[in-house]
Amino acid sequence: GAVVSQHPSRVICKSGTSVKIECRSLDFQATTMFWYRQFPKKSLMLMATSNEGSKATYEQGVEKDKFLINHASLTLSTLTVTSAQPEDSSFYICSARKENNQPQHFGDGTRLSIL
Amino acid sequence: TQLLEQSPQFLSIQEGENLTVYCNSSSVFSSLQWYRQEPGEGPVLLVTVVTGGEVKKLKRLTFQFGDARKDSSLHITAAQPGDTGLYLCAGEFVYRGTASKLTFGTGTRLQVTL
Repeated sequence: GAVVSQHPSRVICKSGTSVKIECRSLDFQATTMFWYRQFPKKSLMLMATSNEGSKATYEQGVEKDKFLINHASLTLSTLTVTSAQPEDSSFYICSARKENNQPQHFGDGTRLSIL
Repeated sequence: TQLLEQSPQFLSIQEGENLTVYCNSSSVFSSLQWYRQEPGEGPVLLVTVVTGGEVKKLKRLTFQFGDARKDSSLHITAAQPGDTGLYLCAGEFVYRGTASKLTFGTGTRLQVTL
């Protein structure tokens, strides 16, 4: 149980393109979803916390207009990288949590490459 | 800002050796988790420790939470090539009411060779 699906797993696109990444909790309802970014050989860095039906809370230094997060339902959150540039290339990972005080379940990540 | 420093950053050992990974912070966490991550995949939860001084064992892995809940260690006995991966500690802290989030450690990359 507690499966989180992330799609796509890999995307390559040109500079200036907007890219949408989906995060779905397949067998549970997630009141909170999290978006992380991971640079090569580095740890995970929290970008934002997303609660269903409300605006996402972004961490310091993360541009909310660049990384648009939508959490329209209890099973789906999306991250849109707007006008992507080469420096946005990274591994993006989402996680979902059923309730507070419960563990986060992680997706398998999306490798984004901007040419 | 909560920071979690892991040491060592990289460890290359031979099969059968023992090792310990440390996770240290100046912040107190409500719980601490250890994950293992394979290349191109998301992290997989190994264990959660909650109580100061708690020790948990998972086969050849022993996890300990510091008495003050600021640090933790992961000890692997008789390492095997299948233990190779990136080990991440993550501290959970409550920032508003019951809302909490994770801060990940800097990571320890383990390579176990035959």
